[in-house]
Amino acid sequence: AQSVAQPEDQVNVAEGNPLTVKCTYSVSGNPYLFWYVQYPNRGLQFLLKYITGDNLVKGSYGFEAEFNKSQTSFHLKKPSALVSDSALYFCAVSAYGNNRLAFGKGNQVVVIP
Amino acid sequence: SAVISQKPSRDICQRGTSLTIQCQVDSQVTMMFWYRQQPGQSLTLIATANQGSEATYESGFVIDKFPISRPNLTFSTLTVSNMSPEDSSIYLCSVGQGRLGVDEKLFFGSGTQLSVL
Repeated sequence: AQSVAQPEDQVNVAEGNPLTVKCTYSVSGNPYLFWYVQYPNRGLQFLLKYITGDNLVKGSYGFEAEFNKSQTSFHLKKPSALVSDSALYFCAVSAYGNNRLAFGKGNQVVVIP
Repeated sequence: SAVISQKPSRDICQRGTSLTIQCQVDSQVTMMFWYRQQPGQSLTLIATANQGSEATYESGFVIDKFPISRPNLTFSTLTVSNMSPEDSSIYLCSVGQGRLGVDEKLFFGSGTQLSVL
């Protein structure tokens, strides 16, 4: 079985401050980890993924995420948040070689001007 | 990246009727999936649409309720049968591209907002 936990419902951050969205996962075998973003009235968009290699992954729009195997975490980060980053963020996990993703419940990010 | 056209974008349906959602991709893809996003909740995988064979359903989803067709590598349909208000949700088509274990990722359609009265 595979699952994802996103412990916070909403993340509020002031514009220009660092943004962190937390994610922990559970999976049998090697994990594929993903972050997706859903803007209002738009479909899901891929942000970044970790499959293997460097634990720090860089993605779209200045986002990055760090894979921590010992803590089974894959937190999403951005050094300086923008108002336009306000959206719903989903963490997802898949077992190795499997495209079937398990999504977390999502985190609403609100960036305050 | 794949461009996915999903229709209808939204519909309001009566209890007991059925709705078929279409998903068209601009390139041939091996992996196609159908997800459901219920109000205020995360995405749940309904099934994997297999070209030339029956779809593979996840726990809690059955073919009689959610029949799926996949006639070729660019097209799939999901039918929500005998609808009830509990079926009100966003239904999303998704395709996987890239090399398994190397650079695969999913692309999503814009979704179908279904409301059942």
